[in-house]
Amino acid sequence: GEDVEQSLFLSVREGDSSVINCTYTDSSSTYLYWYKQEPGAGLQLLTYIFSNMDMKQDQRLTVLLNKKDKHLSLRIADTQTGDSAIYFCAEKEGQTGANNLFFGTGTRLTVIP
Amino acid sequence: DAGVTQSPTHLIKTRGQQVTLRCSPKSGHDTVSWYQQALGQGPQFIFQYYEEEERQRGNFPDRFSGHQFPNYSSELNVNALLLGDSALYLCASSRWSSTQYFGPGTRLLVL
Repeated sequence: GEDVEQSLFLSVREGDSSVINCTYTDSSSTYLYWYKQEPGAGLQLLTYIFSNMDMKQDQRLTVLLNKKDKHLSLRIADTQTGDSAIYFCAEKEGQTGANNLFFGTGTRLTVIP
Repeated sequence: DAGVTQSPTHLIKTRGQQVTLRCSPKSGHDTVSWYQQALGQGPQFIFQYYEEEERQRGNFPDRFSGHQFPNYSSELNVNALLLGDSALYLCASSRWSSTQYFGPGTRLLVL
């Protein structure tokens, strides 16, 4: 079955760049997503990338996809204290007609002022 | 434009009881998916409803059931609650297979 893995913790200084990494197993995944979860809250969609793309940039966020290695990363430029949260990588199941998401365990980003 | 809404926000039940959680999708969305997020874990897919039918199901027992109404809102029912059912239950809505947007969740505690 699908498996999505992320490192559990990342700590950066305010103003630095953060890079959160994710690996996945389903080579037929169509879309890959990044969601942000603040304490006690639901999931906020940050960005997504279609599987035929290598890179997508959206303001401070850059997503890189290496489909050969099944590796996805999220770079946050000029990280702020408000970026402290848990970040989840998710893949959409590649099976035809399937629409469910498989999530990693999340990376807790701590931004040090 | 209201986003995805869920009710209640918090719920406390005892083992063996039954619970119903509710979700209203984002305007224009016709598909509702439910996820369970245990403490310290990522969300796990329970099932998905489209056109008032369950279209896909994850690896959850049939104690977990659901319903979708003609206005696209949805309910998640859990029977014979176990301590292990304590979790944050997240609802996500989408236009069929497009991007899913999540609600704030319902935190269920089973004692």
